[in-house]
Amino acid sequence: QVQLQESGPGLVKPSQTLSLTCTVSGASIRDYRWTWIRQFPGKGLEWIGYNHYGQNILYNPSLGSRVDISVDKSKSQFSLTLTSVTAADTAIYYCARLEYYDSSGRRRPRFDYWGQGALVTVAS
Amino acid sequence: IVLTQSPGTLSLSPGEGATLYCTASQDVSAGYLAWYQQKPGQAPRLLVYGASTRATGIPDRFRGSGSGTDFTLTITRLEPEDFAVYYCHQSESSSWTFGPGTQVEIK
Repeated sequence: QVQLQESGPGLVKPSQTLSLTCTVSGASIRDYRWTWIRQFPGKGLEWIGYNHYGQNILYNPSLGSRVDISVDKSKSQFSLTLTSVTAADTAIYYCARLEYYDSSGRRRPRFDYWGQGALVTVAS
Repeated sequence: IVLTQSPGTLSLSPGEGATLYCTASQDVSAGYLAWYQQKPGQAPRLLVYGASTRATGIPDRFRGSGSGTDFTLTITRLEPEDFAVYYCHQSESSSWTFGPGTQVEIK
């Protein structure tokens, strides 16, 4: 059974760096793309980006150079770093597994397993 | 690509059918359109991917269809556990986006 669990500080000061880690069990960290998604207080969802074991990385252009997603090859974990945060970055942050292909090898991206979410508030 | 969902809220009774719409500002290949269900306090749950393929364990009362800019999620007969918010998502462009959601509420 695939499980993901987010961890990290729930409160970050403006202009500082938000750091979250997702621990994966039940799936190999090498075999999938791993992604972060956030949900704002008004309930809108925003895809942040994904990392496929360092070989294939894609970020939401709206976040520019503030975002980094890394995979720890020695552990079953991947992480999100978001720099220069403001109140607008207050959200529930979800980690998820991105399954990219279907059983026939066709591209069919979908987020098939999710963590329970971690609320991060940006405030002084 | 901007996704618009309609209606914003759907008020229905258990046993009724529901039709949810997702409209894209540009063409989205069917393989790159997915639907998610979210209940209060929970993470979203994958329902349909590739526009029409049900995810593992999803009952057949959930049906996805569509192509180009117009996609539909149909729930043929609402069960009590189906009252939730539904989001569409596209991964066609390099900037993946979600729609704003449709809330299906009990009438």
